[in-house]
Amino acid sequence: AQSVSQHNHHVILSEAASLELGCNYSYGGTVNLFWYVQYPGQHLQLLLKYFSGDPLVKGIKGFEAEFIKSKFSFNLRKPSVQWSDTAEYFCAVNAKGSSASKIIFGSGTRLSIRP
Amino acid sequence: SQTIHQWPATLVQPVGSPLSLECTVEGTSNPNLYWYRQAAGRGLQLLFYSVGIGQISSEVPQNLSASRPQDRQFILSSKKLLLSDSGFYLCAWSHDRAADTQYFGPGTRLTVL
Repeated sequence: AQSVSQHNHHVILSEAASLELGCNYSYGGTVNLFWYVQYPGQHLQLLLKYFSGDPLVKGIKGFEAEFIKSKFSFNLRKPSVQWSDTAEYFCAVNAKGSSASKIIFGSGTRLSIRP
Repeated sequence: SQTIHQWPATLVQPVGSPLSLECTVEGTSNPNLYWYRQAAGRGLQLLFYSVGIGQISSEVPQNLSASRPQDRQFILSSKKLLLSDSGFYLCAWSHDRAADTQYFGPGTRLTVL
């Protein structure tokens, strides 16, 4: 069965620091990968996604993620964070194939940015 | 444009009482529909998903059930609530059969006392 691991539960950074949030998945086949973000008091929304092609994916607000198939990873990065990036971030995976409609989320990483 | 509604926004129910949470989507047809439970530190737990009317896939065996009586309506139910059913319930939809971007509703905060 597919699963997603986010190893960092809570990350605290100062403004302008660089960010990398880890995401690893377990599934032997082809996958679609997602990062979602939940800002305080707002709905979950898509940050970026990978379906195929260039493994380096760029999303909204300066975020990017790199799919490394050999490592089963899809880490999220941002070179310089802002206070407004304070939010909870969720990695998600969808296994292409028989369970094509199922998406599994990780446990989330809470990001706190000190102004 | 598409919108997704969930109600009620908050609910406090006694143990052993029934539950019915409703989710509706507007502005699209034949969406995939999902129910998740979000708990602090545990992320989003997929409970049920549906690719069409009357088609429900259950991910977590428990005392909850889901139904899809209409194309854009998804209902989460229980006959008898447990304390452990407390949590934040999110409904989401995505386009067609291939999983794509999910669009989330505002959620329902359920407290079972």
